[in-house]
Amino acid sequence: QKEVEQNSGPLSVPEGAIASLNCTYSDRGSQSFFWYRQYSGKSPELIMSIYSNGDKEDGRFTAQLNKASQYVSLLIRDSQPSDSATYLCAVSLKTSYDKVIFGPGTSLSVIP
Amino acid sequence: KAGVTQTPRYLIKTRGQQVTLSCSPISGHRSVSWYQQTPGQGLQFLFEYFSETQRNKGNFPGRFSGRQFSNSRSEMNVSTLELGDSALYLCASSQAPGQYTDTQYFGPGTRLTVL
Repeated sequence: QKEVEQNSGPLSVPEGAIASLNCTYSDRGSQSFFWYRQYSGKSPELIMSIYSNGDKEDGRFTAQLNKASQYVSLLIRDSQPSDSATYLCAVSLKTSYDKVIFGPGTSLSVIP
Repeated sequence: KAGVTQTPRYLIKTRGQQVTLSCSPISGHRSVSWYQQTPGQGLQFLFEYFSETQRNKGNFPGRFSGRQFSNSRSEMNVSTLELGDSALYLCASSQAPGQYTDTQYFGPGTRLTVL
């Protein structure tokens, strides 16, 4: 099992819809979780970090963490064409001295 | 506060040469991580430095090395370049390892092309 896994996509949603991105991880002791957005040809940009079980909201973005099930998700409400990008999930691995490992990313396309 | 800076932004080298990339973290950040990004492999962890010490290392050959200076600036070096080393090299800084201080912020990257 890979350390951090994501649906590769591409995921297509119509403008105004909710986009749901999922990520699972293997290290049960992981404590820090991150979502990044990366536009083509650009570097990753932090959307948010989450550390505790439950939901964390920031504008149109909501991150959800479930440590028991070892998954973290990102919901994007009222999706806009400008949200079209690759979304990267990252997890710090407790078993590897808090090394931050990235998933392969999910490509999201928001159709006008 | 200024973001993470990386120099140079673009680099073209030939096989067998060596290259040094530089990264200046956000002021106050003491942890620097390096990643290689290619279309086929995604973001691959190279190494992490904190307080001038390498804390973590990824699964890359010994041709890839790095260091961190007392001002937290970091360099990575790749010797004996191969065609497969062509990639975007990203540097990310965080305050420190550990929960709540480990949020990483990325620089713009260095695009390395090996001919």
